Amino acid sequence: TQLLEQSPQFLSIQEGENLTVYCNSSSVFSSLQWYRQEPGEGPVLLVTVVTGGEVKKLKRLTFQFGDARKDSSLHITAAQPGDTGLYLCAAYKGGKLIFGQGTELSVKP
Amino acid sequence: GAGVSQSPSNKVTEKGKDVELRCDPISGHTALYWYRQSLGQGLEFLIYFQGNSAPDKSGLPSDRFSAERTGGSVSTLTIQRTQQEDSAVYLCASSLRWTAPGDTIYFGEGSWLTVV
Repeated sequence: TQLLEQSPQFLSIQEGENLTVYCNSSSVFSSLQWYRQEPGEGPVLLVTVVTGGEVKKLKRLTFQFGDARKDSSLHITAAQPGDTGLYLCAAYKGGKLIFGQGTELSVKP
Repeated sequence: GAGVSQSPSNKVTEKGKDVELRCDPISGHTALYWYRQSLGQGLEFLIYFQGNSAPDKSGLPSDRFSAERTGGSVSTLTIQRTQQEDSAVYLCASSLRWTAPGDTIYFGEGSWLTVV
């Protein structure tokens, strides 16, 4: 059983569309992170959210931490081909940083 | 170097052989992590080291897997008697401290292992 469940697993959209990726858990976390990984590279941290209900914006990316600190979402506005990649959520559990299974995003021009 | 360095970047080995994967963390980082990633999948935690504390080995999938960190810096992940299911990308990461949400974890580019 995955500690962090991401959905959808795969997403293929056209340039200019909006999308939302979800990260859900039955556990409560003190913080949650989102990473982006491109082929042949390691994941790169995008954001850390620490407060229930918190919303953080990074250009066209909006991250939200659920009020109960059990879930999070990543919304991309007007997606571009450069947004293509694997998006991973992660949280600390028992001292270890645990990752979701990822959402593979493909944005077609 | 400026980032986390891993070697080899690619390794093809025969089933049953031993392999060693090396990780050189960012200078001054006390925490070091190893993860395994199958194609297009999320990261599976393997082991982490924090300073001089005993490592957390709870993610190692079998006793064929071991890791050490010498002098609080370079780490080696060893897989003995490799099996085809060991084929994956092995990612190393480091951070200044351990499990501090304010600290960023930096990943290397990974070592792609193929067992044939």
